[in-house]
Amino acid sequence: GAVVSQHPSRVICKSGTSVKIECRSLDFQATTMFWYRQFPKKSLMLMATSNEGSKATYEQGVEKDKFLINHASLTLSTLTVTSAHPEDSSFYICSAVHSSGNTIYFGEGSWLTVV
Amino acid sequence: GESVGLHLPTLSVQEGDNSIINCAYSNSASDYFIWYKQESGKGPQFIIDIRSNMDKRQGQRVTVLLNKTVKHLSLQIAATQPGDSAVYFCAERTYGNKLVFGAGTILRVKS
Repeated sequence: GAVVSQHPSRVICKSGTSVKIECRSLDFQATTMFWYRQFPKKSLMLMATSNEGSKATYEQGVEKDKFLINHASLTLSTLTVTSAHPEDSSFYICSAVHSSGNTIYFGEGSWLTVV
Repeated sequence: GESVGLHLPTLSVQEGDNSIINCAYSNSASDYFIWYKQESGKGPQFIIDIRSNMDKRQGQRVTVLLNKTVKHLSLQIAATQPGDSAVYFCAERTYGNKLVFGAGTILRVKS
């Protein structure tokens, strides 16, 4: 079946540095991908919609300069957390919409810890 | 750090019993709904979906019921097993294939 891969699955970075998380659709093309954030014991919160070849659309309250999203190809979207702070520590999950438009696949998530 | 707020509700059931997990959604225009299972430290796993032109759909050991009048979804799991223990989320699809997730319910299966 279709697979969405996230890398890295776990990352620890120092405050003030930037960290990039990749989301890849391994066997299908995805013109649209989504990035979510999840705190422990909480639901998934949509951060932004990543569209191949165009600017990402951010949800209200999400800082676009803080969370840079790039969707450079039909199989890859990246989320870069810039100038990371401890409060950015969270579980980040991506999803990809199959180009047929009917099915949404989720990645396994990436744990970010900022120390 | 962790947000301060309400914890997820928990449903505890005995192994072999049926489980019913409920969810309220917000947008009457949503046309597609999905139930996901999430195990600790993993991404959401698709369980079953239903379109707004249906009120019931059955899968293997799972049934989803949709009541559009009161904007309510339920997930029924038959003969609940220890492997069903997880957090369950409903999600509604809005415009542009965006998914809006419900608050989630922890299912604990007692052996």
